[in-house]
Amino acid sequence: QKEVEQNSGPLSVPEGAIASLNCTYSDRVSQSFFWYRQYSGKSPELIMSIYSNGDKEDGRFTAQLNKASQYVSLLIRDSQPSDSATYLCAVGGSNYKLTFGKGTLLTVNP
Amino acid sequence: GAVVSQHPSRVICKSGTSVKIECRSLDFQATTMFWYRQFPKKSLMLMATSNEGSKATYEQGVEKDKFLINHASLTLSTLTVTSAHPEDSSFYICSAPGGTSGRTDTQYFGPGTRLTVL
Repeated sequence: QKEVEQNSGPLSVPEGAIASLNCTYSDRVSQSFFWYRQYSGKSPELIMSIYSNGDKEDGRFTAQLNKASQYVSLLIRDSQPSDSATYLCAVGGSNYKLTFGKGTLLTVNP
Repeated sequence: GAVVSQHPSRVICKSGTSVKIECRSLDFQATTMFWYRQFPKKSLMLMATSNEGSKATYEQGVEKDKFLINHASLTLSTLTVTSAHPEDSSFYICSAPGGTSGRTDTQYFGPGTRLTVL
């Protein structure tokens, strides 16, 4: 049984701070990893994908992957109130299936 | 990126009726699509994998006779909730892998359909 674990939060940070979201996964052979953002009442929106160890940056977002530790994280720099949402970590498997974590609720306070 | 649409976005129906939800990939072909259900403040739950040209694959605990899936073409999958009851009220979301990026392991989600059964 593949598992993806996230701290459910809520994680509260002040505007302008760095928000750090963490995720661990159980399947050692996983090769693809994704972060989705979901606003209340909306469907998930893809933010980042990462496939290799190390960091991947896209604007204010940085995904970090450590396959040896089975750990993936998302950093949000200069957090804005509009970043307040639930962040879902997902791990790719066979037949295009994704295994999702339960999500971390992030609140950015003005 | 890629665009996946769903219709309707919101539906209210009476108990015992059937409701059809459509999921379309607008700018790419999808031989596989996924159907999820999400209850308030809960995580996404995968219901089934929709396969173009063959039967859908259902996750454990999901009734295939209640949730009928038809993948009629490379751009359209439908989910029919048969004999809906209030406990079927939920947010139904479809997704399709691939998009226009060429990577088939990236899934793009439709906007979701909120079903309310009275």
